[in-house]
Amino acid sequence: QKEVEQNSGPLSVPEGAIASLNCTYSDRGSQSFFWYRQYSGKSPELIMSIYSNGDKEDGRFTAQLNKASQYVSLLIRDSQPSDSATYLCAVNILGLNGNEKLTFGTGTRLTIIP
Amino acid sequence: DGGITQSPKYLFRKEGQNVTLSCEQNLNHDAMYWYRQDPGQGLRLIYYSQIVNDFQKGDIAEGYSVSREKKESFPLTVTSAQKNPTAFYLCASSIVGLNSPLHFGNGTRLTVT
Repeated sequence: QKEVEQNSGPLSVPEGAIASLNCTYSDRGSQSFFWYRQYSGKSPELIMSIYSNGDKEDGRFTAQLNKASQYVSLLIRDSQPSDSATYLCAVNILGLNGNEKLTFGTGTRLTIIP
Repeated sequence: DGGITQSPKYLFRKEGQNVTLSCEQNLNHDAMYWYRQDPGQGLRLIYYSQIVNDFQKGDIAEGYSVSREKKESFPLTVTSAQKNPTAFYLCASSIVGLNSPLHFGNGTRLTVT
């Protein structure tokens, strides 16, 4: 089982609709969860962080965390063509050496259809 | 403005040559990281450093070396021992701590032929 799993997509969503991106993780003790957006050929940029169970909203973005189910999601409301990108889920995972390290999923490619 | 500067943006080398990628940050972050990204494989950790003069291997350190002589700088050398060096290399930094997100540089795309 991969440490952080995402559906690679592509996920196509009509403009104005809600895009839902999902991520599961293996380490039940993980405490920190991040969503990054990466445009083609560019570096990742942080869009959301979440640390406790429940929802966290920031503008059109909502992150949802369920530690019992080891599941974190990102909702994008009123999707815009500029939201078309790859979204990376990152989770702090306990490594074999006992150190925590930020582990990334392979990303979900999202396309917003005008 | 504070940020992370990676140079060069594009780098071309012949097989068998060592090459060094530069990473400088002025965010006053203690921790710095190097990741490699290949199509469909996400980001994989090469090396990281949480303090000057100390660094740790990540998941794919073979064929790479780093140094951390200054807080602001964390150069990565891709040696001839790295079997598949062509990739997109990303440098990042953060405050040391579990809840600290990473801030990324703009990346260096290395092509080895």
